[in-house]
Amino acid sequence: QIQLVQSGPELKKPGESVKISCKASGYTFTDYAMHWVKQAPGKGLKWMGWINTYTGKPTYADDFKGRFVFSLEASASTANLQISNLKNEDTATYFCARVCTIYVYYGPFAYWGQGTLVTVSS
Amino acid sequence: DIQMTQSPSLLSASVGDRVTLNCKASQNIYKNLAWYQQKLGEAPKLLIYNANSLQTGIPSRFSGSGSGTDFTLTISSLQPEDVATYFCQQYYSGSTFGAGTKLELK
Repeated sequence: QIQLVQSGPELKKPGESVKISCKASGYTFTDYAMHWVKQAPGKGLKWMGWINTYTGKPTYADDFKGRFVFSLEASASTANLQISNLKNEDTATYFCARVCTIYVYYGPFAYWGQGTLVTVSS
Repeated sequence: DIQMTQSPSLLSASVGDRVTLNCKASQNIYKNLAWYQQKLGEAPKLLIYNANSLQTGIPSRFSGSGSGTDFTLTISSLQPEDVATYFCQQYYSGSTFGAGTKLELK
């Protein structure tokens, strides 16, 4: 069955960096785009962007340009999200999510990771 | 950027009620709209895609309608397990989520 399994919770200080992983299984990793979604505590969902799992090309939403980097370890069917120079407002649960349709970049997300809570606190 | 506005933000209803949630796009998104259910501490679950297509495994009491800028999610007979927050998402241009409707039991 299709699964997205994310790395565990992180506690970081302001200014530090964090890397979250999302390991996919049950399908051909490079056939489906992978997206990232942020959810601050008690808040809604915010789309961060996506990565083309075939070419490795990332696309960032406007609010996530600069400190956020999407990357791949395609041989390990893993997508990564790295956040540098962490700020208090980066405290959130981050989800990876896979589109439904093969070779389609934007679409509904049928599969989600379980989420990774990143807490930024001095 | 396309903005998505959901209403109401909070909805109280009784078991068995017919419930309607609304989502409005700031521009025409045709039928490029999905609905998700999110329970506390869980990842969102896809309910409806392409505005009115029911995702596999989702109970038939959930239905979606609309096109262009105005969309609706209907639960025909509310069940206790439907207590959750519901989000709409456009995927016509990039992606944007609405702020959510929290559904609680009266």
